[in-house]
Amino acid sequence: DAKTTQPPSMDCAEGRAANLPCNHSTISGNEYVYWYRQIHSQGPQYIIHGLKNNETNEMASLIITEDRKSSTLILPHATLRDTAVYYCIVRDGGTSYGKLTFGQGTILTVHP
Amino acid sequence: GAGVSQSPSNKVTEKGKDVELRCDPISGHTALYWYRQSLGQGLEFLIYFQGNSAPDKSGLPSDRFSAERTGGSVSTLTIQRTQQEDSAVYLCASSLAGGKVYGYTFGSGTRLTVV
Repeated sequence: DAKTTQPPSMDCAEGRAANLPCNHSTISGNEYVYWYRQIHSQGPQYIIHGLKNNETNEMASLIITEDRKSSTLILPHATLRDTAVYYCIVRDGGTSYGKLTFGQGTILTVHP
Repeated sequence: GAGVSQSPSNKVTEKGKDVELRCDPISGHTALYWYRQSLGQGLEFLIYFQGNSAPDKSGLPSDRFSAERTGGSVSTLTIQRTQQEDSAVYLCASSLAGGKVYGYTFGSGTRLTVV
């Protein structure tokens, strides 16, 4: 699976949008972009995933560039409970094999 | 249940003892995974079960580690002759069909401390 690069940490004010970038310049055509987050002392939580089109769900939006070499996770109105480590993962969507490779992620701190 | 259940939530054991960690996946999820996370570190893949296929054990760090999944449901991770470096949070996850569509659902983990 392609490697991803994320900033180690970011800050965001409560109520503002949090935009978390991820670079995946070696992504191949069959690989999806997944985002998970891990709140302190909990297991990771699935947020969203996409292939090439932008995606939105009740938690977040995912913007993937046209060349698919980078993406941005957007939390439209961050709350204090969104403080967590956010992982961007790229994996082959053409198989049912399930191993996810987690990197170091981005520590997002939402402050009042 | 509604989520992935792991037990115990915390385990303190003496060096050299064996421990068993249990995972109850979401009903109907065919895939089950074990990861571990050492303090301040990322998640490390350990083992993966998918249906009746042979498990992928490529992430197990040594032959002291083993896991089984009975009846396609509950899984047990066993660590024999525990060492201090085995101290970590052990996380279990389950998914439908490899998790490529709906993602994985993780449990809250078992915090293992070897003293």
